[in-house]
This record gives sequence, C-alpha cells and structure tokens, in this order.
Amino acid sequence: QLQLQESGSGLVKPSQTLSLTCAVSGGSISSGGYSWSWIRQPPGKGLEWIGYIYHSGSTYYNPSLKSRVTISVDRSKNQFSLKLSSVTAADTAVYYCASFGGSRFDGAFDIWGQGTMVTVSS
Amino acid sequence: EIVMTQSPATLSVSPGERATLSCRASQSVSSNLAWYQQKPGQAPRLLIYGASTRATGIPARFSGSGSGTEFTLTISSLQSEDFAVYYCQQYNNWPPSFLTFGGGTKVEIK
Repeated sequence: QLQLQESGSGLVKPSQTLSLTCAVSGGSISSGGYSWSWIRQPPGKGLEWIGYIYHSGSTYYNPSLKSRVTISVDRSKNQFSLKLSSVTAADTAVYYCASFGGSRFDGAFDIWGQGTMVTVSS
Repeated sequence: EIVMTQSPATLSVSPGERATLSCRASQSVSSNLAWYQQKPGQAPRLLIYGASTRATGIPARFSGSGSGTEFTLTISSLQSEDFAVYYCQQYNNWPPSFLTFGGGTKVEIK
C-alpha cells in the first residue's frame, strides 16, 4: 500500500520560496496511474487544494495560486515536490501531500501524508 | 469555479443518534463528490467517493447520497470516534481541472 511522507522547511521568510517534498513508499510513483497533489490547511481553517500533477505529467493548479505554484515529479527519487514563491503570512498552513486515481478514475484523495506545518515569518 | 457550501457549520448530536450533514455545489458535479473525516492533528480520511460508495474499511453506519448539486452524509448511530470535522469535495471531470472542498461541518457531542 502506498504511503506518503512530507518533508521540507518549517519556517520560511516572507517573499521567499516555500519548498516541500513528498516521498512515496510502497510502490513506484510512475506506476498505477496515480496523480499527485498538494493540499493545505491554515490553522483552524478548512482545506484548500493547491494543485496536482497527473500521471501523464500534466499539471493542474488552483487559479488563485497558479502564478506562484510549481509541482514536479522526480521519478529517480520516487518523490514529488511543491514550490510556492513570494510567500506571505497568509501561506502559513499545514501542507499535505495526497494522491488520487490509481484503479479508480475519480478525484477522491484516498492516500494522505501526515502533513507538515509551514510558518511564514521573518 | 465550483463553490461547495456545507451546512450546518456545527452539529451537536448525542452518541447513538443520527447525524445528517449537507453539502451543496454551486453547479452540477454529477456524482463526483467525496466526503472526508478529520480529527484534530490528523490528516483527513476518505469516507465516501462517487457520492455514495464507501471507501475501504469505512463502517456501514456512514452513508452518502445525492447527485447534481445536493448531497448528504448520514451517520446512522454516532459512536464516540465519529466526533470530528467532515468535509465534502468535488472533482468534476476527468482528469479533474479544479477541485474544491466545502468549509466543513464540525460534529460535536451534545
């Protein structure tokens, strides 16, 4: 069974770039038809989809973040990454990596990482 | 952009009672809807996909219904472990070009 684990800097300065990585274990990131996504949750608030990379390599981003987001896959390391540029305090949140697809052709996230807290502060 | 609206924001229920949570989409999403449960300090857990199909390992007391713009999650007899926040999420089209979550419903002990 696939498992996901986020890692990266927990503290980012305003205007800098947030960088996170999600390691995939229990299977290959290149097989199974999965799509790989990032979702965030500000403290005490709801969930916000950031974007995902389809197994074909196409990317889809939340329009509200599109100009600042890049999601990519490193197949040699079996991981995928998130970069969010020009961050502000509003980007402070728990960031989750998650996946959907596989044997089902639907966008329900059935595999989640445990989440990692990122704080934007000088 | 499809907006998902959940109601109520908070639902107070006694253990053993039935809980009914609602989710409304701003335009039709067919049956492309999922429900998640989130407990404090944990990642969300998929409960329902395709509006009514329980995910692997989800107890039968959880059921989903609806299509188009109106959806319901029912917990038939609340157990202590069911007190949590519940989110709906739409994933219209394949591959989905835009995914949105509702604002959540907190189910608390009455």
